[in-house]
Amino acid sequence: DTGVSQNPRHKITKRGQNVTFRCDPISEHNRLYWYRQTLGQGPEFLTYFQNEAQLEKSRLLSDRFSAERPKGSFSTLEIQRTEQGDSAMYLCASSFEGRETQYFGPGTRLLVL
Amino acid sequence: QKEVEQDPGPLSVPEGAIVSLNCTYSNSAFQYFMWYRQYSRKGPELLMYTYSSGNKEDGRFTAQVDKSSKYISLFIRDSQPSDSATYLCAMSPNTDKLIFGTGTRLQVFP
Repeated sequence: DTGVSQNPRHKITKRGQNVTFRCDPISEHNRLYWYRQTLGQGPEFLTYFQNEAQLEKSRLLSDRFSAERPKGSFSTLEIQRTEQGDSAMYLCASSFEGRETQYFGPGTRLLVL
Repeated sequence: QKEVEQDPGPLSVPEGAIVSLNCTYSNSAFQYFMWYRQYSRKGPELLMYTYSSGNKEDGRFTAQVDKSSKYISLFIRDSQPSDSATYLCAMSPNTDKLIFGTGTRLQVFP
């Protein structure tokens, strides 16, 4: 069990560029969550998948954000036309369906210049 | 008003002290309560999980939930400098998304 992994760990981009992050959950977990954390705040829920189905999206997830989990394993989170306000730590977590304990990855830290 | 309130600190204590960390919440539907520890620039690490009301102990850590008061606590006994981190409370009405507090930054000095 290697835990949840996320890539890249850091990303610096210019405003207006597109970025994509990847999350690999714990292998036997069928649920995968994305959260965003800004400095001095707790993580905020963005969206989650059960297998390949996206079951819930937060209103924080604007039209510029899209997440996929095509084969029910890894997931990608894409941000189009990045804005400075998108600068944050993007966290991925996974769990078993019906289990309340979520395990987090190390996060991808995004800086939009 | 946020659903989960947590004092951001920082809380500074000497090594060996008993630390008390707290959160209050407004949603009476919350049933699952967790505490995560987050070191600087790292992902949150699950410390304790409690379902509904009651106490749970794991080594130096004790989690308490008082649903009647909508108040949860984490106690750390014999605190160590390695306990210096941000402690996040999180809760949920079901097994879906977690609602987090802002986190309390703890510093334990030798």
